[in-house]
Amino acid sequence: NAGVTQTPKFRVLKTGQSMTLLCAQDMNHEYMYWYRQDPGMGLRLIHYSVGEGTTAKGEVPDGYNVSRLKKQNFLLGLESAAPSQTSVYFCASKDPGLPNYGYTFGSGTRLTVV
Amino acid sequence: AQKITQTQPGMFVQEKEAVTLDCTYDTSDPSYGLFWYKQPSSGEMIFLIYQGSYDQQNATEGRYSLNFQKARKSANLVISASQLGDSAMYFCAMREDRGSNYKLTFGKGTLLTVNP
Repeated sequence: NAGVTQTPKFRVLKTGQSMTLLCAQDMNHEYMYWYRQDPGMGLRLIHYSVGEGTTAKGEVPDGYNVSRLKKQNFLLGLESAAPSQTSVYFCASKDPGLPNYGYTFGSGTRLTVV
Repeated sequence: AQKITQTQPGMFVQEKEAVTLDCTYDTSDPSYGLFWYKQPSSGEMIFLIYQGSYDQQNATEGRYSLNFQKARKSANLVISASQLGDSAMYFCAMREDRGSNYKLTFGKGTLLTVNP
């Protein structure tokens, strides 16, 4: 049981390049979330999914797309990376084993856009 | 208006002393949950404690307790007998139960430093 796994852990992109961040969970969780963490800003929700085939916008969705083709995977895409997207990205899934459905987080992806 | 406010960007505490990290929240939903997470320098997010809006008693988990004052809309984290390993960033978060799809809204965090 690996929990929530994010790949890659680190990445440097040039402005305008594209990439996909993968979040995989083996706990059969329905709900999955992508957050970004920036200094002094806390964690802000980018997109989320309430089940296979569904996605919805969060607080800061611009510049990102997501897909949830399989229940265990939640992909976050950057079509044309910008320096403002330099951040640490966290994926999370809703864990019914934690009090009142707290999250299980991945270990994060540190993305730098130059 | 911010839904979660953490007014202390940084806090210092001596080892073995208690420390309180402040969190205030804003919601009109009568049913909600409040969470605290710890993020050490290694970066992972660690769940610490949860308080439901209808819970009558303050939540406790080992050395962590949540001082829940519903009328004041505050949910302060109290760490007793601080240890060097408690040095980390701490985030308060809220889930509003009305149609939220279990989304969490986070505060900006408090960086706690425990001095020997």
